[in-house]
Amino acid sequence: AQTVTQSQPEMSVQEAETVTLSCTYDTSESDYYLFWYKQPPSRQMILVIRQEAYKQQNATENRFSVNFQKAAKSFSLKISDSQLGDAAMYFCACRNYGGATNKLIFGTGTLLAVQP
Amino acid sequence: SAVISQKPSRDICQRGTSLTIQCQVDSQVTMMFWYRQQPGQSLTLIATANQGSEATYESGFVIDKFPISRPNLTFSTLTVSNMSPEDSSIYLCSVPRDGTYEQYFGPGTRLTVT
Repeated sequence: AQTVTQSQPEMSVQEAETVTLSCTYDTSESDYYLFWYKQPPSRQMILVIRQEAYKQQNATENRFSVNFQKAAKSFSLKISDSQLGDAAMYFCACRNYGGATNKLIFGTGTLLAVQP
Repeated sequence: SAVISQKPSRDICQRGTSLTIQCQVDSQVTMMFWYRQQPGQSLTLIATANQGSEATYESGFVIDKFPISRPNLTFSTLTVSNMSPEDSSIYLCSVPRDGTYEQYFGPGTRLTVT
């Protein structure tokens, strides 16, 4: 069965600094997708970044980048130049490429606080 | 991107009653997903709803407790039946983004059962 683990329930970062959120996953599939979602207090889940497992290059979206280590099954999120608006719950998620096991599986989340 | 709305945004209900949550999407989608997010927890998939067929429920969720309707390609409802305080959660509707494995999420319905 697929599992996603986020070992940091809470993190804090100073505004303008950089923070890294950790995520490990387990899947028996070779083709899958990894995602980071942000859930601010408004509850709206927003996709931050995604990574296809077949791509070796780490995904980047503006201030957000990932460190994808396929062999280690690790998928961390780096937020550079942190802003107050980055404060939210961040969920790591994994989805297999196809078939009956292609559900989106979420980790337990990391609550990020941004200090001014 | 798809725009998803949910009604109600929040509700407080008494135990033993039922609540129907509506999910409306601004475009036609084949699949719609319903998730539950218990307080301080992650998202758990309740069921997948395809238009014109019975919903597919995940382990631990049953149709009698969470009946789902999917009358057309832009709308779905989830009913939480015979509610107990343990049903207090945020319920989210989600749809896939065309041509990708990404999903859009609705704003959620915060349910409190007293």
